[in-house]
Amino acid sequence: EAEVAQSPRYKITEKSQAVAFWCDPISGHATLYWYRQILGQGPELLVQFQDESVVDDSQLPKDRFSAERLKGVDSTLKIQPAELGDSAMYLCASSLGGGSPLHFGNGTRLTVT
Amino acid sequence: GEDVEQSLFLSVREGDSSVINCTYTDSSSTYLYWYKQEPGAGLQLLTYIFSNMDMKQDQRLTVLLNKKDKHLSLRIADTQTGDSAIYFCAESAYSSASKIIFGSGTRLSIRP
Repeated sequence: EAEVAQSPRYKITEKSQAVAFWCDPISGHATLYWYRQILGQGPELLVQFQDESVVDDSQLPKDRFSAERLKGVDSTLKIQPAELGDSAMYLCASSLGGGSPLHFGNGTRLTVT
Repeated sequence: GEDVEQSLFLSVREGDSSVINCTYTDSSSTYLYWYKQEPGAGLQLLTYIFSNMDMKQDQRLTVLLNKKDKHLSLRIADTQTGDSAIYFCAESAYSSASKIIFGSGTRLSIRP
């Protein structure tokens, strides 16, 4: 069964450094999502792409976070500079859109020290 | 605004049925989902239901939807130790840019 690939699996960085996460969605899935999940909470949407276009980034802290999906396939989420409060699991998901279920990757666990 | 609420914890005896409940606020929700998350992993889709249905069964899983009360439940029959996980309810409204809203999750623990 096709899967959403994410890397790295774990990332430890010092505050004020830059970090980047990568996601490769399931082939043919036009919609791609980045979620942040703080320990003990449900995932919160950071940004949603339809092909290469951003359709929702209302919860993305744009002063430090950026996301791109240049060719409408894989995507990169960047944080610069990282802050202690950014420690969380960053989950990527993809779907066919139109209410189709999201399929999640295994996430990147970020720890900011 | 949209909101999805779940109880935080549920403990059941192995072999019993588990019932995890969820309430949502968006009356335009068209799809409702149940996801399972094991420690350190991503979310695994268990099942989903369209809002014009009131029940869906898939092996040990039964989903019940009460649209009038905006209440969704997931019943797991013959609960096993491998069912220990956090279960998330989620909703979306149908559109090409549909946003999926998740609850905070219910942690299911199994007693021997």
